Formats: sequence, C-alpha cells, structure tokens
Amino acid sequence: DSGVTQTPKHLITATGQRVTLRCSPRSGDLSVYWYQQSLDQGLQFLIQYYNGEERAKGNILERFSAQQFPDLHSELNLSSLELGDSALYFCASSSSLGSTEAFFGQGTRLTVV
Amino acid sequence: AQSVTQLGSHVSVSEGALVLLRCNYSSSVPPYLFWYVQYPNQGLQLLLKYTTGATLVKGINGFEAEFKKSETSFHLTKPSAHMSDAAEYFCAVSDRTGGGNKLTFGTGTQLKVEL
Repeated sequence: DSGVTQTPKHLITATGQRVTLRCSPRSGDLSVYWYQQSLDQGLQFLIQYYNGEERAKGNILERFSAQQFPDLHSELNLSSLELGDSALYFCASSSSLGSTEAFFGQGTRLTVV
Repeated sequence: AQSVTQLGSHVSVSEGALVLLRCNYSSSVPPYLFWYVQYPNQGLQLLLKYTTGATLVKGINGFEAEFKKSETSFHLTKPSAHMSDAAEYFCAVSDRTGGGNKLTFGTGTQLKVEL
C-alpha cells in the first residue's frame, strides 16, 4: 500500500458527461501529480500541484482541469467526455518539490461508453 | 525535452534465467532515472532510482540497474527470474525544470516468466 488513495476505483459514464476523480496523497506529502495511462498514449503526465498551487502542466486537454485543496487532496475534473478519454488515471504524491520519489495510487479506471 | 526508449515491448525468460530490460534515455541535463513495476490492476511501484553518485543502483526484489552516461542507458537486470516477477516494467526520466519531479515514461516492457 503506497498510502495514496484514489476514488472511485472504477467509473463508467457516457460520452458528453463530466466526472470528478479524487486523490488523497500520503500523509504529509505536499505535491500531487496526475497521470493518464491509455493503450494509445501510454503513461502521460497531465498536471502537478504543490501545496495548492499549479506547478507544472503536461499533455492535459482543455476539457480537463484539476485543483488541490487546503487539506492537500486533489481532484481531476474531466468534462465533455469522449470515447478516447477511456483510460487509467493515476495520482502520485511526493513530500516536496525536491523529492525524487513519487508514490502512486492504484488508479481510477474510467470507461466512456 | 527528455525522452525514454524501452527496447522490446515483450520479453520472455525462463524461471531462474537472467532478466535484462533495456532503457535508453535522452536528456539535456544530468538525468534522474527510474524503473517502476506495474502488476495487473495495480498502481506503479518504484523499483529503483538513479539520481547522483554510484552508477550501479540496487532496488527491491533483487533488481539492479546501471547508469551508463556514454551509452545513455539505464538497463534493468536481475540475475535469476522468479515467477512473481511477471509484470510490466516502465523506465522513466525526471523533468526537474521548474521544480517538482514529473516523469516521462517509456512505453513499457511486459515481462513473462515461464517454467
């Protein structure tokens, strides 16, 4: 158990809908990362937050957004969903900006039908 | 921009045989390199990492990797494969620009261990 909790584990929704994925980092970790794993694109970095502030952005679509709350949990919002958004979404956390080790949650498997 | 290339999307070895998973990287700065393992329906678990210092790094479950700057490689090895090693393995390089440790992953190598 990495200590990173993601909910829900599975999500099935229809095209055009909006969903929210939730991540609770390890206790004390300030940095949260979101990654998408799909058959087409592999594992891709989406976005990073550190202590509530956006820190880095990767290949994140404009239909997607994220935030990190004062209690350090993070949410990834996916809207106007398309079939191609079906993927495994991982959250990872690390203790600080300088930390070289990120701990991954078990992921949320999103299926868009 | 940094990138990672994993040679061989599928590798099959016999139980007890040497495991060698290949990874080459491209980085404009001294790289931080990682190997992660993913078991079915699980998240990613860090096997080992290279940041600075000793170029031969040892990780969990008997795995090790050697950073070779001249070859831009970071291959993962294990002397004797076990059935429990069957999983997908990802090599990654860290982009530390602007702070943080966002990772660029390779496409993964599925390791199969046969009796």
